[in-house]
Amino acid sequence: NAGVTQTPKFRVLKTGQSMTLLCAQDMNHEYMYWYRQDPGMGLRLIHYSVGEGTTAKGEVPDGYNVSRLKKQNFLLGLESAAPSQTSVYFCASFFGGQGASYGYTFGSGTRLTVV
Amino acid sequence: AQSVSQHNHHVILSEAASLELGCNYSYGGTVNLFWYVQYPGQHLQLLLKYFSGDPLVKGIKGFEAEFIKSKFSFNLRKPSVQWSDTADYFCAVNAGNDMRFGAGTRLTVKP
Repeated sequence: NAGVTQTPKFRVLKTGQSMTLLCAQDMNHEYMYWYRQDPGMGLRLIHYSVGEGTTAKGEVPDGYNVSRLKKQNFLLGLESAAPSQTSVYFCASFFGGQGASYGYTFGSGTRLTVV
Repeated sequence: AQSVSQHNHHVILSEAASLELGCNYSYGGTVNLFWYVQYPGQHLQLLLKYFSGDPLVKGIKGFEAEFIKSKFSFNLRKPSVQWSDTADYFCAVNAGNDMRFGAGTRLTVKP
């Protein structure tokens, strides 16, 4: 199993450009999440989804949009990138069942720089 | 909204020293608790988790954590650290549909 795969791994954008980050999981998890990680601030939740066709706002949703058209994919969009969105973005999926598999699986991250 | 506080931003220890990293959360209901480690340039890896049962949880690499409900705490411990434990450590709390992270503690272990 590949687990959680994020693409791209690195990207440089100019202010005002748009882009979409893709998160794909092959574990049939219902829940998926997008976080951003900034120095000294840990991970902050941007948006999440509790199932196909559903999305919800997290702590820092402004400037981002998401879609979950297929269960295995969770897309994060930046419509008009700003330097404040320079960050490392992590996707995660969650298994809420019983046993040792309970918990979150993280992707390897996308490093985004907005100039 | 729930929040997670990690008291130590940077901890510097010598090898073989004991480690305790503090984590407190603010949420009154049932919670699930996690500690993650992030080595330089890598993504988060699960160290241990608590969701029910024995409040003393043992994880990988000799780490353990104790859930004290009355103190809303979930402190991470290791009796003897190694140079390879140098990393960032994140406490996380899951309640409901989302999970919130603390700001993290950077651990530096001197050889």
